[in-house]
Amino acid sequence: SQKIEQNSEALNIQEGKTATLTCNYTNYSPAYLQWYRQDPGRGPVFLLLIRENEKEKRKERLKVTFDTTLKQSLFHITASQPADSATYLCALELKRDDKIIFGKGTRLHILP
Amino acid sequence: EAQVTQNPRYLITVTGKKLTVTCSQNMNHEYMSWYRQDPGLGLRQIYYSMNVEVTDKGDVPEGYKVSRKEKRNFPLILESPSPNQTSLYFCASSLPSSYNEQFFGPGTRLTVL
Repeated sequence: SQKIEQNSEALNIQEGKTATLTCNYTNYSPAYLQWYRQDPGRGPVFLLLIRENEKEKRKERLKVTFDTTLKQSLFHITASQPADSATYLCALELKRDDKIIFGKGTRLHILP
Repeated sequence: EAQVTQNPRYLITVTGKKLTVTCSQNMNHEYMSWYRQDPGLGLRQIYYSMNVEVTDKGDVPEGYKVSRKEKRNFPLILESPSPNQTSLYFCASSLPSSYNEQFFGPGTRLTVL
């Protein structure tokens, strides 16, 4: 069966440390993988997109990796801050039909 | 300001009473999509549209209809709402190019009694 899983429902990280979130998928052939941030009661906000032929992307304190062999993406926030506390969602866009599939998200808490 | 707007933002209705949630974007995006978000289930795609007059089912299309008569608008129609359609609904749009960043609307919280 097809699945997309994010490593944990919630993650607590000490301020200043690197937060690493995981997104695993099975039986999909994604064209792209995206990461979004969602704050309570609001719509998701796009953070980074990585294509199937790219290994790594960076944007300021954010880094995403994409391993199509392992079927896994890692999302890193370096020098984490309490303002980074939010739910982070990964999403796949499928090659075959342009559908977009979201993971259930990881709630990240950065502890001061 | 580039944005996706949804109306209404909050709606309480009763079973069987037809309703429409409107979605409009001002970014000239070809791709538009509707999602519902439920606790423990995450965001699930209901319908999407690659362009005007082109719509396709997402993962959970049952009980919903959409139309795409104009590029900027993508209304979600519930012909006969039921309590299991109580949810938070998001509309999103994007360009169908190499960079498919989706822009999401603010959400519509629907309660069906």
